[in-house]
Amino acid sequence: EPEVTQTPSHQVTQMGQEVILRCVPISNHLYFYWYRQILGQKVEFLVSFYNNEISEKSEIFDDQFSVERPDGSNFTLKIRSTKLEDSAMYFCASSALIGRGGGDEQFFGPGTRLTVL
Amino acid sequence: QKEVEQNSGPLSVPEGAIASLNCTYSDRGSQSFFWYRQYSGKSPELIMFIYSNGDKEDGRFTAQLNKASQYVSLLIRDSQPSDSATYLCASGETSGSRLTFGEGTQLTVNP
Repeated sequence: EPEVTQTPSHQVTQMGQEVILRCVPISNHLYFYWYRQILGQKVEFLVSFYNNEISEKSEIFDDQFSVERPDGSNFTLKIRSTKLEDSAMYFCASSALIGRGGGDEQFFGPGTRLTVL
Repeated sequence: QKEVEQNSGPLSVPEGAIASLNCTYSDRGSQSFFWYRQYSGKSPELIMFIYSNGDKEDGRFTAQLNKASQYVSLLIRDSQPSDSATYLCASGETSGSRLTFGEGTQLTVNP
């Protein structure tokens, strides 16, 4: 069964460093998302991406964050200058364009645990 | 602020019982509703989605939606110890829109 994959599974970085988190969405899906979950807290939306551009972003997704689809398979989240409070699990998700008038099912990858020291 | 609220739990049921999980949402523009299961340290796994008022059954799971009351529920019949996890309720507006998640309800099924 197709699935979303993410690398690395765990990333440790120093405060102020740049990190890039990578995702390979399900191959026939057209919408891509990043969410994060701080330990013990709810899953929070960061950004959605469709047709090679950001379609929606949350207030968390400030100028320190960027997303890119550098080729036909990868989808990346870059954090330019990490802060301690960026420590969280980052999930990539993807969904197909079905257009039944509701939000289409989003399938999540296994996540990247980011630890900022 | 669009919010999804879940009964706080934790919820503990004996093996074989019915587990009932509840969720309310504040955004009347929400069109679709999802139940995810999340094991500790793992990612959310989609188990049910529902778009229309009424019940939707899939195996041991039944999702119920009442848009007038802005209420969603998940029933798990014949609960198994492997169902022990945190259950996340989420809502979405349109195709490709963000999902708004609740805090989750931790379910423990005791053998």
